[in-house]
Amino acid sequence: QKEVEQDPGPLSVPEGAIVSLNCTYSNSAFQYFMWYRQYSRKGPELLMYTYSSGNKEDGRFTAQVDKSSKYISLFIRDSQPSDSATYLCAGENAGNMLTFGGGTRLMVKP
Amino acid sequence: NAGVTQTPKFQVLKTGQSMTLQCAQDMNHNSMYWYRQDPGMGLRLIYYSASEGTTDKGEVPNGYNVSRLNKREFSLRLESAAPSQTSVYFCASSASGSLRTDTQYFGPGTRLTVL
Repeated sequence: QKEVEQDPGPLSVPEGAIVSLNCTYSNSAFQYFMWYRQYSRKGPELLMYTYSSGNKEDGRFTAQVDKSSKYISLFIRDSQPSDSATYLCAGENAGNMLTFGGGTRLMVKP
Repeated sequence: NAGVTQTPKFQVLKTGQSMTLQCAQDMNHNSMYWYRQDPGMGLRLIYYSASEGTTDKGEVPNGYNVSRLNKREFSLRLESAAPSQTSVYFCASSASGSLRTDTQYFGPGTRLTVL
C-alpha cells in the first residue's frame, strides 16, 4: 500500500465550480502536508502547506487536514480554466523527506 | 533568474548505456534533490544533497549515482541504463533541508526513455 493515495481522475468540472481534491495517507509520522500543482510537461510548484490538523486558506484555495481520519483535502473556489493541472499531495515526516501521492488530474471547462 | 535548469530535456538510451543528467540552480540554495515521476506513482526521491559536499539516498536510489559538484550543480548518473529507468526526472532545490519552512523549487524535467 502506498503511503499517500490519490484518485488519479481526471476530474472534470465547469468553470466557477467548487473543486474538492482529496488524499488519504497511512503514515502517522507525517506532520506537515503540502499541495503541489503541476501543469502538463512542467515541474511541480508548491501551492500550499499545512501543519497537523485544521484549515489553511490562501485566496481561492483552502487546505484541510484531518489527522484522526488521515485525510487531506484541497478546495478550490470559483475554479478557472487556468486551474486545469495535476494536483499532488505530499506528507513530510521528521526526516525532511516528502512522500507524494500519484496526483489527481483536474480539468476545468469554460 | 532561471531558477532550476535541467539538461537534456529529452533522451533516448539503449539498455546498458550510461548518461548523466545535469541540474543547476541560481538561487544560492543549499539543498538539492533528484526525483523520478512515473504514471500513477507520484514523485519518488532518488537522492538528495542537504548541503554542498553531502549526499544521501532517498526512496529509490538503486541504479543511480549522484555528484554535488558545487553549490549550484547536482548531477544524476545512470551507469547502465535499464528499461525500468524510463521515467521523467526532476531536479529540485530548497534554501535549506527543512521542507517545513522552505519551498522546494522544481526544474522542468528530463524525459528519459530506455529501449
